[in-house]
Amino acid sequence: SQQGEEDPQALSIQEGENATMNCSYKTSINNLQWYRQNSGRGLVHLILIRSNEREKHSGRLRVTLDTSKKSSSLLITASRAADTASYFCATDAGGYQKVTFGTGTKLQVIP
Amino acid sequence: GAVVSQHPSWVICKSGTSVKIECRSLDFQATTMFWYRQFPKQSLMLMATSNEGSKATYEQGVEKDKFLINHASLTLSTLTVTSAHPEDSSFYICSATTHGSYNEQFFGPGTRLTVL
Repeated sequence: SQQGEEDPQALSIQEGENATMNCSYKTSINNLQWYRQNSGRGLVHLILIRSNEREKHSGRLRVTLDTSKKSSSLLITASRAADTASYFCATDAGGYQKVTFGTGTKLQVIP
Repeated sequence: GAVVSQHPSWVICKSGTSVKIECRSLDFQATTMFWYRQFPKQSLMLMATSNEGSKATYEQGVEKDKFLINHASLTLSTLTVTSAHPEDSSFYICSATTHGSYNEQFFGPGTRLTVL
């Protein structure tokens, strides 16, 4: 299985601070994605980074990918209470290969 | 954007009964739909992949006779949990893709199943 492992498992920060969470995976990938899941809800797609990309930005989100280390990080800048959620990385080998989800990081942003 | 709905959003049933969960793509045709299961505080685990008009492909360890999947149209897939037991209590999430690549999936809001 190439399920990603994320760390930390849980993260608690003050509003306005930055939050960084990491994802490591085991096998070669084509794409890595980050999703957010609010408690008891479905997944919201945040960002996709391809294996030939090293960094990507979307609003307050910054994702990096290091394929040599098989790892990715998600940085949320200037966090808000509404960012409180679980964050999952998901990897795939492209085409018709299934997407495999990481273990998730539970982020709590304290107002 | 592409919207996927699930019905019901939550269901409570007695042990031994069967429960059907619907997954619909509202504004697009989904060539492939996926069913995931998520236990509390855990990640999503893929149960099966279904293509319209063909039999679902189940992941290792998932009983196909217990989790019946029907993908009868390009906008509807159903998951039936047969003879449900308390250990089947979980959060079931479906997703759908509009084209050949599996990486762009649109997720439903999930269904919370509680088996008493």
